[in-house]
Amino acid sequence: SQTIHQWPATLVQPVGSPLSLECTVEGTSNPNLYWYRQAAGRGLQLLFYSVGIGQISSEVPQNLSASRPQDRQFILSSKKLLLSDSGFYLCACEPRGARGFYNSPLHFGNGTRLTVT
Amino acid sequence: SQQGEEDPQALSIQEGENATMNCSYKTSINNLQWYRQNSGRGLVHLILIRSNEREKHSGRLRVTLDTSKKSSSLLITASRAADTASYFCATGHSTLTFGKGTMLLVSP
Repeated sequence: SQTIHQWPATLVQPVGSPLSLECTVEGTSNPNLYWYRQAAGRGLQLLFYSVGIGQISSEVPQNLSASRPQDRQFILSSKKLLLSDSGFYLCACEPRGARGFYNSPLHFGNGTRLTVT
Repeated sequence: SQQGEEDPQALSIQEGENATMNCSYKTSINNLQWYRQNSGRGLVHLILIRSNEREKHSGRLRVTLDTSKKSSSLLITASRAADTASYFCATGHSTLTFGKGTMLLVSP
C-alpha cells in the first residue's frame, strides 16, 4: 500500500518569505498526486493535482505553485508568502488512471501546518 | 463542483451510543466516500459507496446512499472514545471535493 511522506510537519514563516513543501510517495508507481489545504475548522480545498511528471493542474488561482519533478515527488511552492497562506497542507495520492468514472480512495500524508506571521 | 455538506457540524455522545452523520450533495455522482481525520493528522479513507449501491457495511460502520435525495449517512455503532475525530464525505467525477466535516466527540 502507498505511504506518503510530508515534511516538515510544522513550519512558521514570515510574510514575504519563500515556501517549499515536499511530498514523496512510496509503494506505488505513476500515481495521481494532489495538494489540498485545510483552513481551521473548514473543509479541504483542492489546490493542485498532477497525473504525471511535469503535468500540473491548478484548481484555485492563488499565491502558490506546484511542481512534479519526479514520478513520486510533488512540491508546493511560493515565492512570497501571504498571511492568508496559513493552513494545514495535505498531500494525497491515488492509483494512476483512477480519475474519471470511478474515483479510488485517496491516501493522505500527515500534513504540514504552516503559520505565516 | 459537487461539494458534500455534512450535518451536524458537531456531535457529542457517550461511549456505547450510536453516532449518525449526514451528507448532502448537489449533483449526480458516481460514488461517495467517507473519510476520518484525527486532530492534526491526515485523512483516512473509511468507505466508498457507488451510486448503484444503497447500503454498505464495514465493521461498526454503516453507510447509506439515497441518490434520489442526494444524501448519504454514516452510522457508527457502539461508539468508542477512539472514534473521536472529524468525519468528511467526498464526491466528484474527476477530483474529490470534501465537505466541512462533522466533528464527533465520544466521551468515556
